[in-house]
Amino acid sequence: SQTIHQWPATLVQPVGSPLSLECTVEGTSNPNLYWYRQAAGRGLQLLFYSVGIGQISSEVPQNLSASRPQDRQFILSSKKLLLSDSGFYLCAWSDSPATEAFFGQGTRLTVV
Amino acid sequence: AQSVTQLGSHVSVSEGALVLLRCNYSSSVPPYLFWYVQYPNQGLQLLLKYTTGATLVKGINGFEAEFKKSETSFHLTKPSAHMSDAAEYFCAVSEDYGQNFVFGPGTRLSVLP
Repeated sequence: SQTIHQWPATLVQPVGSPLSLECTVEGTSNPNLYWYRQAAGRGLQLLFYSVGIGQISSEVPQNLSASRPQDRQFILSSKKLLLSDSGFYLCAWSDSPATEAFFGQGTRLTVV
Repeated sequence: AQSVTQLGSHVSVSEGALVLLRCNYSSSVPPYLFWYVQYPNQGLQLLLKYTTGATLVKGINGFEAEFKKSETSFHLTKPSAHMSDAAEYFCAVSEDYGQNFVFGPGTRLSVLP
């Protein structure tokens, strides 16, 4: 069966520090991969999605970047965090638009 | 472009009462529709989905939803609310040849004793 791992679960980082969040999927190949951000009391904002290795589409201009170095690995990064980067970050994967997206457990990022 | 609206950011019901969470979508092609539930500090869990076929879809935990093309709606219902249903609920849409899932803003369901 397929599983998705996302870590860390919580993270407190100072303003200006770098960020690296990792997401890996097991049990499937060539998945579509997604990074979403959920601000307090708000819905899900799609940040990046990837349909294959090295293929990244950005939905929102921001202080963040994403990379897909391996088929089932998706990394969210920042060189210098801003206070506004605080939020709940969710990684997800799907086989196609007709099947559901499966979500990781999320990372609570607090920038102080 | 796809979009999803959810009427009511917060809905309160009494335990045992009917749950109705509203979702309307816009899509230029036949959509795929989903309802997810999120408990605090957790990821999203699929409740049910509509892709093709029967328009009344049954999901987990006693929830169901009906796809109404003429109304561009996919409302979520449950006949009798339980305390454990208190959570955030998200409606989402996707399309063939699209790559993304578009989520609504969410509805927080509170269940009162």
